[in-house]
Amino acid sequence: GAGVSQSPSNKVTEKGKDVELRCDPISGHTALYWYRQSLGQGLEFLIYFQGNSAPDKSGLPSDRFSAERTGGSVSTLTIQRTQQEDSAVYLCASSSGTAGGYTFGSGTRLTVV
Amino acid sequence: GENVEQHPSTLSVQEGDSAVIKCTYSDSASNYFPWYKQELGKRPQLIIDIRSNVGEKKDQRIAVTLNKTAKHFSLHITETQPEDSAVYFCAASRGFSGGYNKLIFGAGTRLAVHP
Repeated sequence: GAGVSQSPSNKVTEKGKDVELRCDPISGHTALYWYRQSLGQGLEFLIYFQGNSAPDKSGLPSDRFSAERTGGSVSTLTIQRTQQEDSAVYLCASSSGTAGGYTFGSGTRLTVV
Repeated sequence: GENVEQHPSTLSVQEGDSAVIKCTYSDSASNYFPWYKQELGKRPQLIIDIRSNVGEKKDQRIAVTLNKTAKHFSLHITETQPEDSAVYFCAASRGFSGGYNKLIFGAGTRLAVHP
């Protein structure tokens, strides 16, 4: 597509439920990233997929968080047993294999109640 | 681990004045330094970037400088306008030559430009 697409744009869930967030990167971009942005805060790295390489999961805050990227395109970030501190905007970005800045999606605003 | 520090956290200027935001990085292998602007409720957008083989880059009213020895880089906005008001993030990665390109972001600077 023309840009990075994320869905849903907003998600309200009850504490303890599982959620799935979806990211559809720019067509042809080999790299895909997930970041988390809490209210008024910076961008916290979560996970990075680059081509067929093993993903860099070093930013995932706990084992409740996982992500996969199927077919080198769409990615899903899953949060199990959500907690209130998981409330944030989850941003996905993609980039081409050559050096360059990311293109961010509009994010998914997750609220855990 | 990698770390990027950004200062100041907030910056208030009068329209027409200049604004400068500074960042330092810890990973000496970093070679790519982008800057993002995030308006309220919107996604971060790339406004300018610099690679380690140059010391300065300009694009109209914005410029970025890089000092590899001191491991710091700065964003300069001249003739500020109210529409420059936003949060600005610096970032660093090893992505100059492609390949590994994980960006580590600074904490952000909230810039307010007053008419």
